[in-house]
Amino acid sequence: SQQGEEDPQALSIQEGENATMNCSYKTSINNLQWYRQNSGRGLVHLILIRSNEREKHSGRLRVTLDTSKKSSSLLITASRAADTASYFCATVSGAGSYQLTFGKGTKLSVIP
Amino acid sequence: DAGVIQSPRHEVTEMGQEVTLRCKPISGHNSLFWYRQTMMRGLELLIYFNNNVPIDDSGMPEDRFSAKMPNASFSTLKIQPSEPRDSAVYFCASSLAAYNEQFFGPGTRLTVL
Repeated sequence: SQQGEEDPQALSIQEGENATMNCSYKTSINNLQWYRQNSGRGLVHLILIRSNEREKHSGRLRVTLDTSKKSSSLLITASRAADTASYFCATVSGAGSYQLTFGKGTKLSVIP
Repeated sequence: DAGVIQSPRHEVTEMGQEVTLRCKPISGHNSLFWYRQTMMRGLELLIYFNNNVPIDDSGMPEDRFSAKMPNASFSTLKIQPSEPRDSAVYFCASSLAAYNEQFFGPGTRLTVL
């Protein structure tokens, strides 16, 4: 069963604009992770945020986590054509859990 | 490190044939995962190994699927006999600890005719 649900399913923006993707989940989590998948490739880990963290940055990426709303957002600032990919959130439930439960992803297109 | 290595990258086979997918995890990682990705169902966890021991195989769809990890540097996923509905991209991933970030291989695109 899916835990994370990304929104929107698809997003198209101009190069230089910011892109925001959202993720909602159903049960309590240990951590939430964001991954990127370029067409025809494997997933690449972007950022991990723990349940006791509210915000995390990595380069042009900013992730927020609101455990009271069971939601997270991924912001990509100053987007580039190379950011075109699908973005997935994945949750790890509870301490000692191992299973990453993925959503179906947001397909981001950055138009040059 | 070369990252997670999977082979073959593409496999086309006929229904009823045996298919074996291979994975070499990142050295030092003690957790290994096999996933299947399809348009309809997204990414599904098939099986999880910890220190070469299968911990959870509840995601393996049927008895036709089996997975082994004979040592820390090698794992196989076997489908016998294969069926057209097994067509998907199969990913192997490894991590230092099960709840940490996972490193994915490039995947094997399987087509069963």
